[in-house]
Amino acid sequence: AQKVTQAQTEISVVEKEDVTLDCVYETRDTTYYLFWYKQPPSGELVFLIRRNSFDEQNEISGRYSWNFQKSTSSFNFTITASQVVDSAVYFCALSEVSGGYQKVTFGTGTKLQVIP
Amino acid sequence: DVKVTQSSRYLVKRTGEKVFLECVQDMDHENMFWYRQDPGLGLRLIYFSYDVKMKEKGDIPEGYSVSREKKERFSLILESASTNQTSMYLCASNSGYYNEQFFGPGTRLTVL
Repeated sequence: AQKVTQAQTEISVVEKEDVTLDCVYETRDTTYYLFWYKQPPSGELVFLIRRNSFDEQNEISGRYSWNFQKSTSSFNFTITASQVVDSAVYFCALSEVSGGYQKVTFGTGTKLQVIP
Repeated sequence: DVKVTQSSRYLVKRTGEKVFLECVQDMDHENMFWYRQDPGLGLRLIYFSYDVKMKEKGDIPEGYSVSREKKERFSLILESASTNQTSMYLCASNSGYYNEQFFGPGTRLTVL
């Protein structure tokens, strides 16, 4: 069975600090995709990134970067020079095909508070 | 601008009432999903649909049913609302197997 673990429930950082959100997953499939979503206080989840299981290249987008390591089944998310607008709940998710259908499993989320 | 809309942001119902939550997407997506979000539990899948009139149970379907009569619309039904169904309900849609999901703003349902 697939599983996504976000061990950090809540993190507080001071503005401009770097912060890493951890995500560990479990799957038996060789083909799968990993995602990060952001849920700001307004409530609507926003897609941030998708990474497939065959592409272990790290990705950087502005202040955001993602480190995918199949050897440790981790897909961690780093925010550099955090800002107050980064305050949100962040979800990691795993997508596989199971029984002919897409099966998406979300982690329990990490609440990030950036203090000015 | 792509959109997933939900019929209500906030809803208050009484125990035993029948509750309808509506979700509409304008992206011609074949897949639609209903989740509930509770503190400490993340998002849990209630039902999903991969085509019109098709539906599949998710991880927590008990106490819920769904309807998908048109491709763009996916309804979640609480046949007899109970207090343990007080939660945030999120609708999402996507296409294919591995694409990102687009989420609606959520409906915060309180059952008294």
